[in-house]
Amino acid sequence: EAQVTQNPRYLITVTGKKLTVTCSQNMNHEYMSWYRQDPGLGLRQIYYSMNVEVTDKGDVPEGYKVSRKEKRNFPLILESPSPNQTSLYFCASSPLRTGKGEKLFFGSGTQLSVL
Amino acid sequence: TQLLEQSPQFLSIQEGENLTVYCNSSSVFSSLQWYRQEPGEGPVLLVTVVTGGEVKKLKRLTFQFGDARKDSSLHITAAQTGDTGLYLCAGATPNTGNQFYFGTGTSLTVIP
Repeated sequence: EAQVTQNPRYLITVTGKKLTVTCSQNMNHEYMSWYRQDPGLGLRQIYYSMNVEVTDKGDVPEGYKVSRKEKRNFPLILESPSPNQTSLYFCASSPLRTGKGEKLFFGSGTQLSVL
Repeated sequence: TQLLEQSPQFLSIQEGENLTVYCNSSSVFSSLQWYRQEPGEGPVLLVTVVTGGEVKKLKRLTFQFGDARKDSSLHITAAQTGDTGLYLCAGATPNTGNQFYFGTGTSLTVIP
């Protein structure tokens, strides 16, 4: 089954404790992206990757890191989480972006709480 | 940067009623998509429109892309409880490397 898998689904942590949220897709997609979703703000892009070893900042990259060592995986790293990073996070993938309407496939989300 | 504004933010209607959700921007988009998100899940694509003035229908849902490709609307006829969810528009523009920017979302509740 074609899917984007995120783990964990729920995560509660404390300020400053490094964490990684994993994302994997089995569709051989070139493009992968991380979003955070906050009430009233919609989905905001954190980082994206057009292909292996190619990553770029989105709208809200501060406090986050990503890597794309393999095509299928795109982990999101919070080196020193802070309470303002409490949010619902989504990973997404699609075929290479040409702006003509490639479908984004989303994972089921990771609800992160930073105390 | 909030390129896309959706209205209304919240909408609660009775089953059988019609409704329209709007997605507006000052930017011109090469394509625009509508997604629906249910609680506990990621957004799922409903439709993509790429041509100014384009109208697409998906059963009881009608999507329109503005002539100038700056806005879009989603009209639902005879809403059903299964239509409940968060509706998100997303636009892509070459000026931003064809990244999709998402709107603020419209939360729809259909009451039986």
